[in-house]
Amino acid sequence: NAGVTQTPKFQVLKTGQSMTLQCAQDMNHEYMSWYRQDPGMGLRLIHYSVGAGITDQGEVPNGYNVSRSTTEDFPLRLLSAAPSQTSVYFCASSYTVSDTQYFGPGTRLTVL
Amino acid sequence: DAKTTQPPSMDCAEGRAANLPCNHSTISGNEYVYWYRQIHSQGPQYIIHGLKNNETNEMASLIITEDRKSSTLILPHATLRDTAVYYCIVPRWDKIIFGKGTRLHILP
Repeated sequence: NAGVTQTPKFQVLKTGQSMTLQCAQDMNHEYMSWYRQDPGMGLRLIHYSVGAGITDQGEVPNGYNVSRSTTEDFPLRLLSAAPSQTSVYFCASSYTVSDTQYFGPGTRLTVL
Repeated sequence: DAKTTQPPSMDCAEGRAANLPCNHSTISGNEYVYWYRQIHSQGPQYIIHGLKNNETNEMASLIITEDRKSSTLILPHATLRDTAVYYCIVPRWDKIIFGKGTRLHILP
């Protein structure tokens, strides 16, 4: 199993650009989520999904969209990048929300 | 909601046991306590979890009080590689909220 994979590892955007952060898992996990982590801070929940076709907002959803068309993939879209979205983004998955979470390696995003 | 409270930082001498406390006074009867750690800027890694009984695995031990309102993660013989941020988590029914965790410094 590859586990949870995230692409790209690094990305630099200009203000106003849009992009999609990819997250995939091959463990047949139903629950997937996205977090952002600013320097020296904890993880903050952006969006989560309890299964294909179902998504919901977390603590800091503004400026981000998600969709879950398959069990395996949970992409995160930045609609119009802002410098405040400079952060490290982590994707996680688990069988259910109450099970052990498996995290990807993260995407380091810089918005200029 | 089960919210957790942890000290922001702790020090521990190398080779000694590191005891990391967590308060979760509003935990419900069927909610688990999970511990993860994050080394440098990597993704968090699972350490251990428990419901009522004390648990032990190859990485750590978890002691949960009888009233389940608090728990302690024990790293029996801390090494420099245990320097990390440790998160105590009680998953909600629909999502998982992380706090700021405890930054553990292992002193040589």
